[in-house]
Amino acid sequence: RKEVEQDPGPFNVPEGATVAFNCTYSNSASQSFFWYRQDCRKEPKLLMSVYSSGNEDGRFTAQLNRASQYISLLIRDSKLSDSATYLCVVNGGTASKLTFGTGTRLQVTL
Amino acid sequence: EAQVTQNPRYLITVTGKKLTVTCSQNMNHEYMSWYRQDPGLGLRQIYYSMNVEVTDKGDVPEGYKVSRKEKRNFPLILESPSPNQTSLYFCASSLSFTGELFFGEGSRLTVL
Repeated sequence: RKEVEQDPGPFNVPEGATVAFNCTYSNSASQSFFWYRQDCRKEPKLLMSVYSSGNEDGRFTAQLNRASQYISLLIRDSKLSDSATYLCVVNGGTASKLTFGTGTRLQVTL
Repeated sequence: EAQVTQNPRYLITVTGKKLTVTCSQNMNHEYMSWYRQDPGLGLRQIYYSMNVEVTDKGDVPEGYKVSRKEKRNFPLILESPSPNQTSLYFCASSLSFTGELFFGEGSRLTVL
C-alpha cells in the first residue's frame, strides 16, 4: 500500500461546481497534513495546511479524519483558475519526512 | 523578493558527464531538500538537509550527492548521470521544517 494515495482524476467540472478530493495515508503516526497546488510544469505551492479541527480559506475547506486516515479538500464555486493538480502531503511521523501523493488533476470548464 | 533559485532550468546531457544543479534560497531557511518528479510517481525526495553540514538521504538517493557548506546553498550533484535520471527536479526550503515548503521553479534534466 502506498504511503499516500490520491485518485489521479482528472476531475472535469463546470465553473461554479463544488468538487471534493480525498487522500488516504497509511502511517497512523502522521502528524502534519497539507494540500499543495501545482500548475502544469510549475513548482508546487502550499494551498493550505490541514488541522485536526479542519480549516477553511475562502472557497477552500480542508478536513482531517484520523480514524479513517484520510484528508479531504473541498472547493466551492469552482473557477477556471482552479484548474491544476492538487497534491496531498503528509508528514510521516518524523520531522524530516514529508511524503507527497501523486496528485489529483482538476479541470474546470466553462 | 523571497525565492528559491535553481540553475540550470533546462539541461540536456550525455551519460556519464558529471553535472551540478545549483539551488540557492534567500530566506535564511535551515531546511532544504531535493525532489524529483516523474509521471505517475509524484514527488520523491532525494536528499535533505536540516542545517549547514547536516545532510541525509531521502527515498531515492542513489546516483546523487549533495553538500551544504553554506546555509543558502544546496547543490545537487550527479557524478555519472544515467538515462533513468531524466526527470524534473525541484529544490525546496523551509524555515524550520513546518511543512510549508517553498519550491524553486524546477530543473528539467534529460540524460541521453
